[in-house]
Amino acid sequence: GDSVTQMEGPVTLSEEAFLTINCTYTATGYPSLFWYVQYPGEGLQLLLKATKADDKGSNKGFEATYRKETTSFHLEKGSVQVSDSAVYFCALSDRGSSASKIIFGSGTRLSIRP
Amino acid sequence: EPEVTQTPSHQVTQMGQEVILHCVPISNHLYFYWYRQILGQKVEFLVSFYNNEISEKSEIFDDQFSVERPDGSNFTLKIRSTKLEDSAMYFCASSDSGQETQYFGPGTRLLVL
Repeated sequence: GDSVTQMEGPVTLSEEAFLTINCTYTATGYPSLFWYVQYPGEGLQLLLKATKADDKGSNKGFEATYRKETTSFHLEKGSVQVSDSAVYFCALSDRGSSASKIIFGSGTRLSIRP
Repeated sequence: EPEVTQTPSHQVTQMGQEVILHCVPISNHLYFYWYRQILGQKVEFLVSFYNNEISEKSEIFDDQFSVERPDGSNFTLKIRSTKLEDSAMYFCASSDSGQETQYFGPGTRLLVL
């Protein structure tokens, strides 16, 4: 079945460093791809999404490009802040049914040092 | 901005007891979902619901689980006889179409003792 694999954490960076969190997916169809973020003690928030190949999702300085040829959707940010410390989940929307379920990766915990 | 709300935020129960988790989806949304996240693990799909019936359910969603939309605003998840392994964070989500972005609530942390 469909699945998402993302890089193991935790990832620890200094403030203003460049961030990449790798994500690859396996899907039989043409899923939509998402990054969700979970701040400490909070629920899941949609960070960005892309619905078709070569689309770039962006929000709050984060970007990810839907790469069909490499089945990837890597998350990047040019200069991270302490407030970006959170768990990041890569996910895809399985369009196999009328109500698409979301399949999540295992999450990557990001910690930013001041 | 409209948001999904969930109550209670925390629930502690004894093994074998019934629990009902409550969700109020975004008002114009038609598709509703439950997911769970066991501590330290990935978020897992439980069930999707549309037009007053289950659209899809995972193998986790066995006969102990049920969902209901008792009125025009609430969406509930019932666990009939809780087990220790049901301890998890339960997230409700909604979307305005089955193919669109799902918006998640803040979750209910369930602890079964």
